[in-house]
Amino acid sequence: DADVTQTPRNRITKTGKRIMLECSQTKGHDRMYWYRQDPGLGLRLIYYSFDVKDINKGEISDGYSVSRQAQAKFSLSLESAIPNQTALYFCATSDGDRMITDTQYFGPGTRLTVL
Amino acid sequence: AQKVTQAQTEISVVEKEDVTLDCVYETRDTTYYLFWYKQPPSGELVFLIRRNSFDEQNEISGRYSWNFQKSTSSFNFTITASQVVDSAVYFCALSWAGNMLTFGGGTRLMVKP
Repeated sequence: DADVTQTPRNRITKTGKRIMLECSQTKGHDRMYWYRQDPGLGLRLIYYSFDVKDINKGEISDGYSVSRQAQAKFSLSLESAIPNQTALYFCATSDGDRMITDTQYFGPGTRLTVL
Repeated sequence: AQKVTQAQTEISVVEKEDVTLDCVYETRDTTYYLFWYKQPPSGELVFLIRRNSFDEQNEISGRYSWNFQKSTSSFNFTITASQVVDSAVYFCALSWAGNMLTFGGGTRLMVKP
């Protein structure tokens, strides 16, 4: 089984709808992240969480919210989806126990289309 | 501010050619890490390598090699004897604030048979 899973893998929704993307991990990592990928822009950080009680905004958090339900679960919500939120969304995890920069491991991605 | 530039947006080679993907970064940190990830057509992101700023030794892993030069702020990736399975988008990334990543825009590599 994959260490980092994302559901759904694909989603088409309409402008104004609320949508939630879910991420689960079995790696036992403390740190979790949400990114979006747009063509030519690489990946940009939306939100990150270093533990269950720690939530932080990233580079492009406007229009998004998150919930860290447990160490293993980190959800991203679009309260009122708009077309420019059409993108590929990735969840990632990393080990937070050490004082060095750990590698981030990514889920398979969720392709979201907002019509 | 941290910045990663991958000037080559798209590269096309014929199988068995060698190809180098460029990555130039900007940071004021004295301690940082550099990463390369591969995104095949299936879409997932696959970790390839992590290198810290104090280790400038080149690294080789099979057909893959990485050249880190602090003097030019570059961390280039070379694939020797490319294969069709190497076709993917490759991302270079730079760490900051301990565990944040800034990504370059990616280089799409197409290897033709």
